[in-house]
Amino acid sequence: DGGITQSPKYLFRKEGQNVTLSCEQNLNHDAMYWYRQDPGQGLRLIYYSQIVNDFQKGDIAEGYSVSREKKESFPLTVTSAQKNPTAFYLCASSISNGNEQFFGPGTRLTVL
Amino acid sequence: KNEVEQSPQNLTAQEGEFITINCSYSVGISALHWLQQHPGGGIVSLFMLSSGKKKHGRLIATINIQEKHSSLHITASHPRDSAVYICAPRSQGNLIFGKGTKLSVKP
Repeated sequence: DGGITQSPKYLFRKEGQNVTLSCEQNLNHDAMYWYRQDPGQGLRLIYYSQIVNDFQKGDIAEGYSVSREKKESFPLTVTSAQKNPTAFYLCASSISNGNEQFFGPGTRLTVL
Repeated sequence: KNEVEQSPQNLTAQEGEFITINCSYSVGISALHWLQQHPGGGIVSLFMLSSGKKKHGRLIATINIQEKHSSLHITASHPRDSAVYICAPRSQGNLIFGKGTKLSVKP
């Protein structure tokens, strides 16, 4: 089955620790995205990548980092510099930037 | 002012009712997406449209580019339609997401 997987579904970390969220797709999509969702707010773009070894900051990139070493993988690291990291994180991919996006199931991160 | 406004924020309907969710936006767009988010958090793309109207099963999406407005209609609503519906116009290559409309359909 083709699709996007994110793991784990729930993640707990202590304040001050970096944490990496996984996103894998087997759809052969070039573009991948990371979004953050907070209660009562729309999704906000953290980072996106249009092609392997290239990525751009979105609207709220501060305190986050990404890598795109393989086409199918786009991990997101939430660093200790992110002031309010507790949120629901969604990964998405599309054939290319501007096309329909397919979303993963999300990871709910709680920083204690 | 938000670039994307959805109304209503919350909607409760009885099974079988006709549902309309509205989306207004203030930016120039190349297309508009309607997404469905289930209680577990997963998001499914329902429609991507840039003009006119699209229909898929009981769902219909319309867009008026001149008025910067789109609507999502659900005919013969069912409890399984209960979800958050999100409008997301595409502007300058990226999606701008509305806050969503939470729909609850009672049997």
